[in-house]
Amino acid sequence: RKEVEQDPGPFNVPEGATVAFNCTYSNSASQSFFWYRQDCRKEPKLLMSVYSSGNEDGRFTAQLNRASQYISLLIRDSKLSDSATYLCVARPYGQNFVFGPGTRLSVLP
Amino acid sequence: SAVISQKPSRDICQRGTSLTIQCQVDSQVTMMFWYRQQPGQSLTLIATANQGSEATYESGFVIDKFPISRPNLTFSTLTVSNMSPEDSSIYLCSVELAQTHEQYFGPGTRLTVT
Repeated sequence: RKEVEQDPGPFNVPEGATVAFNCTYSNSASQSFFWYRQDCRKEPKLLMSVYSSGNEDGRFTAQLNRASQYISLLIRDSKLSDSATYLCVARPYGQNFVFGPGTRLSVLP
Repeated sequence: SAVISQKPSRDICQRGTSLTIQCQVDSQVTMMFWYRQQPGQSLTLIATANQGSEATYESGFVIDKFPISRPNLTFSTLTVSNMSPEDSSIYLCSVELAQTHEQYFGPGTRLTVT
């Protein structure tokens, strides 16, 4: 079983839709969590850190459920520019970052 | 955040040769990493570049194949040695900010081995 799992997608959604990505992690020692977006042929860019209390940044909301060991990312009012691959990342205490395989999103006009 | 540059941005190399990739950060950071990303795949950690000591390699990666230097807190190099077509990939360096534990990536080096 992979340490960090994501639905590979692709998710094809119309502009303006709300889309949710889920991610599960297997290492209960994971303490830090992040969502990155990666555009085609570009490096991953930090989208947001995920805090225990959840956090929101504009149209993006991240949630953490430690009991169930999953992280979610909600994107509201999708834009064409949101089309990318979204990478879930967990970091166990004292260990390296573990990247999920990514979920591809295509927002369609 | 951190601003990271990598050189070269891309290269086409012949098998059996070696390529050294440079990574420069705009501020002093303790943690620097080197990753590889195959097309359509997620990131695979090659090693952690330690300043003043040998790099820490992940399973499947060895120093003879991927020697790493880290002469100071703002710079690192990764060499891909004795290249074969299987080494064709994107190589990314990254840094972790101590205060936030956020990780930032360089733009990557796209390597093609013929």
